[in-house]
Amino acid sequence: QKEVEQDPGPLSVPEGAIVSLNCTYSNSAFQYFMWYRQYSRKGPELLMYTYSSGNKEDGRFTAQVDKSSKYISLFIRDSQPSDSATYLCASAGSSNTGKLIFGQGTTLQVKP
Amino acid sequence: NAGVTQTPKFRVLKTGQSMTLLCAQDMNHEYMYWYRQDPGMGLRLIHYSVGEGTTAKGEVPDGYNVSRLKKQNFLLGLESAAPSQTSVYFCASSYSDSYGYTFGSGTRLTVV
Repeated sequence: QKEVEQDPGPLSVPEGAIVSLNCTYSNSAFQYFMWYRQYSRKGPELLMYTYSSGNKEDGRFTAQVDKSSKYISLFIRDSQPSDSATYLCASAGSSNTGKLIFGQGTTLQVKP
Repeated sequence: NAGVTQTPKFRVLKTGQSMTLLCAQDMNHEYMYWYRQDPGMGLRLIHYSVGEGTTAKGEVPDGYNVSRLKKQNFLLGLESAAPSQTSVYFCASSYSDSYGYTFGSGTRLTVV
């Protein structure tokens, strides 16, 4: 079992929909949680960064971490065709080695 | 302001050939990483470095070697390429206490 699990999708939604992307993790030591966005044939780019539990909002994006259930979520409001990409969740512990463990990625398509 | 630069962008190798992938960053980051990305497998860590002159094994190190002779460069070597090493390779870098990785644009390697 991978330490970070993510449904690969694909997920297809109409423009303007609210999108919910989710991951689960198994390592209780994880304290840092991130979401990366990867466009086709490009490198991943950091989208959201959260430490420990709670919510973080940035424009149309909200990241949510529930450490009690080991659940990571990313919500996208008013989704746009430009949001079509693969979204990767990632987690790391407090060992300070900087090693992120990535989920498999969820492919999202937002249709006009 | 290049960020993380990977060369080459594409390469086709014959089984048994060797090659070196170069990663260069201009952000003065301490930590550098090599990942491979395969369909359904997500990003898997090959090797990483926590500073100039240091290297360590990641999740899938077999068949690869690395060197970090200069802080800004991280080289990934394949001594005897195998078809199983066909993949997209990503280099990333980060500050030691930050987990916000900056990724390069990737190298698409095919071993025939």
